[in-house]
Amino acid sequence: NAGVTQTPKFQVLKTGQSMTLQCAQDMNHNSMYWYRQDPGMGLRLIYYSASEGTTDKGEVPNGYNVSRLNKREFSLRLESAAPSQTSVYFCASSEAPFLREQFFGPGTRLTVL
Amino acid sequence: QKEVEQNSGPLSVPEGAIASLNCTYSDRGSQSFFWYRQYSGKSPELIMSIYSNGDKEDGRFTAQLNKASQYVSLLIRDSQPSDSATYLCAAGGKLTFGQGTILTVHP
Repeated sequence: NAGVTQTPKFQVLKTGQSMTLQCAQDMNHNSMYWYRQDPGMGLRLIYYSASEGTTDKGEVPNGYNVSRLNKREFSLRLESAAPSQTSVYFCASSEAPFLREQFFGPGTRLTVL
Repeated sequence: QKEVEQNSGPLSVPEGAIASLNCTYSDRGSQSFFWYRQYSGKSPELIMSIYSNGDKEDGRFTAQLNKASQYVSLLIRDSQPSDSATYLCAAGGKLTFGQGTILTVHP
């Protein structure tokens, strides 16, 4: 039982490059989330998926797209990376949207040069 | 005003003391409140959840919720050096996180 897994763990991109962050959970949770964490700013919600087949914007969605591939997997895509997207990205999942505990993956540390 | 604000840190307490972490929130419709602990370089992990007014105790941890004052707190009794971490408060309809309070417990 791995919980929430994320790949890759580290990534360095050049400005303008694209990449996809992968996330998978094996807890049969309905809801999944993508957050970014910057120093001194806590966690900010980028996108979430309340249930399979739905996605919605969070607080900071600009520059990102998401895909809920199936109940287990939720990916985050940066189409044209910018230095402002340098951050640590966390994927999380929960049984129900926002009302129950979220379980977090190990994070992806992304640097955009 | 931020939706969720935590008391400014860092907070330093001696081993064995009580650490008090505070959080205020602006969304009066909030139904769920969480405290997460995050060690440096790691992901957040849940310490406590609380859904109704009053106190909730779990071992050395006590969460207190006062919806009228829009205030939630976390008390850590008999603080240990292993409690040294950043503590994140979360509340609100889309679960907004506070900026975190860094706690250091010194021997």
